[in-house]
Amino acid sequence: AQRVTQPEKLLSVFKGAPVELKCNYSYSGSPELFWYVQYSRQRLQLLLRHISRESIKGFTADLNKGETSFHLKKPFAQEEDSAMYYCALKGYGAQKLVFGQGTRLTINP
Amino acid sequence: GAVVSQHPSWVICKSGTSVKIECRSLDFQATTMFWYRQFPKQSLMLMATSNEGSKATYEQGVEKDKFLINHASLTLSTLTVTSAHPEDSSFYICSARVPGTGSYGYTFGSGTRLTVV
Repeated sequence: AQRVTQPEKLLSVFKGAPVELKCNYSYSGSPELFWYVQYSRQRLQLLLRHISRESIKGFTADLNKGETSFHLKKPFAQEEDSAMYYCALKGYGAQKLVFGQGTRLTINP
Repeated sequence: GAVVSQHPSWVICKSGTSVKIECRSLDFQATTMFWYRQFPKQSLMLMATSNEGSKATYEQGVEKDKFLINHASLTLSTLTVTSAHPEDSSFYICSARVPGTGSYGYTFGSGTRLTVV
């Protein structure tokens, strides 16, 4: 079964501090992992995906197959990073995305 | 970019009535659309996958007779909540795969807040 777990419902850090949002997954094959972000009163949008190995808005995420994790990191948090973050998995050949429970990130000034 | 327009953004209906939610792809053809349900402070739960011209594929535990999905054209999918009850109150979100964008091309609607009274 496909499952995505985000253990933290809420995460609060101060501006300028490092931030890490945890994501663990369960999937028997080779998954595609994504991070989606939902800012206040906006629709869900893609932040980054593991295949591209890119940094978006200072965020990076590395797929660790050994630990089945895809944690999202940013070295210096900014106030505009406050949002809801969802980790998502797509199985090989599948159409649908499976989402984690989401983590509400609050950056304090 | 590819945009999915979802209407209405909110609706209040009486218990026992039916409500239709529309999801339109504005500048692309969406052969596949997805309908999610989101409870307060919880994740998006996939309800069904809608393929143009064919029957929707429902996730386990989702009543297909209650949540009717129609995807009759390449730009429109509808979700009808039939005989709505207060427990159907939720936030419903549609999503579509954007052709030619590979595995990451999912675009989301702005959601519909349904309140059944």
